[in-house]
Amino acid sequence: QVQLVESGGGVVQPGGSLRLSCAASGFTFSSYGIHWVRQAPGKGLEWVAFIRYDGSDKYYTDSVKGRFTISRDNSKNTLYLQMNSLRVEDTAVYYCAKVSLHSSGSSPFDYWGQGTLVTVSS
Amino acid sequence: EIVMTQSPATLSVSPGESATLSCRASQSVSSNLAWYQQKPGQAPRLLIYGASTRATGIPARFSGSGSGTEFTLTISSLQSEDFAVYYCQQYYNWPPWTFGQGTKVDLK
Repeated sequence: QVQLVESGGGVVQPGGSLRLSCAASGFTFSSYGIHWVRQAPGKGLEWVAFIRYDGSDKYYTDSVKGRFTISRDNSKNTLYLQMNSLRVEDTAVYYCAKVSLHSSGSSPFDYWGQGTLVTVSS
Repeated sequence: EIVMTQSPATLSVSPGESATLSCRASQSVSSNLAWYQQKPGQAPRLLIYGASTRATGIPARFSGSGSGTEFTLTISSLQSEDFAVYYCQQYYNWPPWTFGQGTKVDLK
């Protein structure tokens, strides 16, 4: 069965860095684009970043451009989110989610991980 | 950026009743519209995609309709496990992929 398992969250001071990982199994990871979506405490869902199946294209929400980097290692079935210059407003649960149509961005998110909490606080 | 607006913010329903949730897009998203269910402490789960197609394993009491800018999620004969927050999302014009702010379905 499809599994996405996030890790790497924690408490970090403003201006600090964290790297999140999303380990995938149960499907051909190298054939699917993957998103990062976050949810601030008590708030709704916010899309953060997307990477195509082969890493050829990457997209970011405006508020994280220049600070966050999405990447993937298809040999390890793992997605990453490098988060630098963290701000208090980046505090959220971060989910990875795969697209249902293997290479398309015009696709719903059919499987989600359980999320990892990032807390940015002094 | 396409803005997704859901109404109402909260819907109070008794078990066995039906619930109708609305989602409006600021411009046409064709039928590239998904609905997700999220329960407290859990990840979102895909319910409906293509505006009206149920995802794998989703019960028939969940149905979606609409196209363009107006969409509806209907839950017929609400079960106790259906009390949750529901989000609509467009995947037509991206980036960004955008979600509505959510509708909470709670117990009346």
